[in-house]
Amino acid sequence: DTGVSQDPRHKITKRGQNVTFRCDPISEHNRLYWYRQTLGQGPEFLTYFQNEAQLEKSRLLSDRFSAERPKGSFSTLEIQRTEQGDSAMYLCASSYGRGPPSTDTQYFGPGTRLTVL
Amino acid sequence: AQKITQTQPGMFVQEKEAVTLDCTYDTSDQSYGLFWYKQPSSGEMIFLIYQGSYDEQNATEGRYSLNFQKARKSANLVISASQLGDSAMYFCAMRRPISSGSARQLTFGSGTQLTVLP
Repeated sequence: DTGVSQDPRHKITKRGQNVTFRCDPISEHNRLYWYRQTLGQGPEFLTYFQNEAQLEKSRLLSDRFSAERPKGSFSTLEIQRTEQGDSAMYLCASSYGRGPPSTDTQYFGPGTRLTVL
Repeated sequence: AQKITQTQPGMFVQEKEAVTLDCTYDTSDQSYGLFWYKQPSSGEMIFLIYQGSYDEQNATEGRYSLNFQKARKSANLVISASQLGDSAMYFCAMRRPISSGSARQLTFGSGTQLTVLP
């Protein structure tokens, strides 16, 4: 049973460049989440997918951020025109649930640490 | 808006002893879920334990137990027989009810760094 995987684990980029992260959830998990975690803080919710549909987005997700889950399996998070304030750990989580979310537990991946120079 | 407060930025415990990590929350919802996660230095968030607001008994999972006091809005994590491998950051998190429209997201506290001493 493999867990949630994320790629790359680390990314260093220059301000203004675009970056894309990938998340592969636990197989058969239909729900996928993205969070952002800055140093010394807990994760903050960014967005949520159920299958391929993006059902919820945080105000933190500015126009420079876009997320997709085209076939309801893996997901990508793209940041355009990166800024130094985008430096953070980007965490992906997945869960399995039927009907409205209730007690399904979110399982997290190892994260992608982004550094914007 | 809901809020999670973890007032202990750092805690130390001797190996094999028990330790309690504090978590208080603020919500006007009657139905909600509370979670604890462990984050080692590697970065991965590891699920430890869950407590539903209507659960009558405190949740337990191996060496982890949750001291849930609904009236006081606290959900403290108790780790018994601490091990060196327990050294990590611990986060308390809450999920709101379905009726809130934001039941899918978790709201996290700022965490407690636990160090287990040999």
